[in-house]
Amino acid sequence: GENVGLHLPTLSVQEGDNSIINCAYSNSASDYFIWYKQESGKGPQFIIDIRSNMDKRQGQRVTVLLNKTVKHLSLQIAATQPGDSAVYFCAETPSFYSQGGKLIFGQGTELSVKP
Amino acid sequence: GAGVSQTPSNKVTEKGKYVELRCDPISGHTALYWYRQSLGQGPEFLIYFQGTGAADDSGLPNDRFFAVRPEGSVSTLKIQRTERGDSAVYLCASRPTGTGANVLTFGAGSRLTVL
Repeated sequence: GENVGLHLPTLSVQEGDNSIINCAYSNSASDYFIWYKQESGKGPQFIIDIRSNMDKRQGQRVTVLLNKTVKHLSLQIAATQPGDSAVYFCAETPSFYSQGGKLIFGQGTELSVKP
Repeated sequence: GAGVSQTPSNKVTEKGKYVELRCDPISGHTALYWYRQSLGQGPEFLIYFQGTGAADDSGLPNDRFFAVRPEGSVSTLKIQRTERGDSAVYLCASRPTGTGANVLTFGAGSRLTVL
């Protein structure tokens, strides 16, 4: 859905389906990207990361795709489970090797998994 | 400890009061970050410590906000003359140095409500 005011974009999927969460980043100089998952009442939790010299990286049930041409990042979750329900944030930073680089977070997408 | 610990988990205060929020990072993590998260938004960077010194405080919104880390471990975020707009979840994160990767481990946050 569209983001209006305080409302997060939402994605609703059926248990067992694949989920795709998208993120547009703003800084073409960003070198390193991370996806975080945040459950209600908890801090963000690391899922997967990717450097700008890659266009795809796979983890357990998750894949991150990076398209630097259009500054787009996506997170694919295979066989989505109810425990995947959370808000997902992409984050970017200018340098993988920066010892002080701060992460800049996107707004987030709320994933709701229907059993 | 095993994770990043933040206290209090919830704080309700009146407009104009002074507030302190505490963060206990993962043992041995020399880098410590404070973020602020408003409802429906991604975390926003406030300040970053490398050891005892504030390496980047560019995210602090104004001079009512201040943070310290006197012994390079526990950090305290201090907010003077609180305003209703300061209401948010304040997240602390830490990261070990030397890894090169800016993967932050977050605490559960301190929810501040200013009445």
